[in-house]
Amino acid sequence: GQNIDQPTEMTATEGAIVQINCTYQTSGFNGLFWYQQHAGEAPTFLSYNVLDGLEEKGRFSSFLSRSKGYSYLLLKELQMKDSASYLCAVSGRGFKTIFGAGTRLFVKA
Amino acid sequence: EAQVTQNPRYLITVTGKKLTVTCSQNMNHEYMSWYRQDPGLGLRQIYYSMNVEVTDKGDVPEGYKVSRKEKRNFPLILESPSPNQTSLYFCASSLSSPRGAEAFFGQGTRLTVV
Repeated sequence: GQNIDQPTEMTATEGAIVQINCTYQTSGFNGLFWYQQHAGEAPTFLSYNVLDGLEEKGRFSSFLSRSKGYSYLLLKELQMKDSASYLCAVSGRGFKTIFGAGTRLFVKA
Repeated sequence: EAQVTQNPRYLITVTGKKLTVTCSQNMNHEYMSWYRQDPGLGLRQIYYSMNVEVTDKGDVPEGYKVSRKEKRNFPLILESPSPNQTSLYFCASSLSSPRGAEAFFGQGTRLTVV
């Protein structure tokens, strides 16, 4: 079957670093996405990985290991505005996209 | 401004009364899709479209229909809504297939079926 797992909730402190993990089992693999979604709003794109390794974009980095079916999103220098849900999604066989249930991140002062 | 526009944003309807949620994008994107988002389940793909007149089922297509007569529009049709279709719906578009192309999401439609 197809499945994406990520932790339901995480809490971190302002200024710290947090890592949000994602494991996946899908039919086919054409890339992994991370999206950010603030409460009541639409998801917005953060990153895309299709090859193994680390992609860095400012305070956000995303890592992929295809052999392990594993990815993580790393958020550095956390700010209060980073409190949101983070969605892991995989482009699988054909043109379907499968999302995980999302990780709610709470950033405390 | 590049955007995906959904209407309506909020809708309360009764069981069995046909409704349409519209979605329009102004970015000339080929790929469009519909998702529903439910607590604890995340986003689940309902239907997607690779281009005009090309549509296919996602993971939860039962009870929904779509059409893609023009590139910019991708309406979602509920012929006979039921309470289990109460959900938050998102339309999304991307330049090409989701392989490497980020998706742009509409602001969502919160549907309640009583």
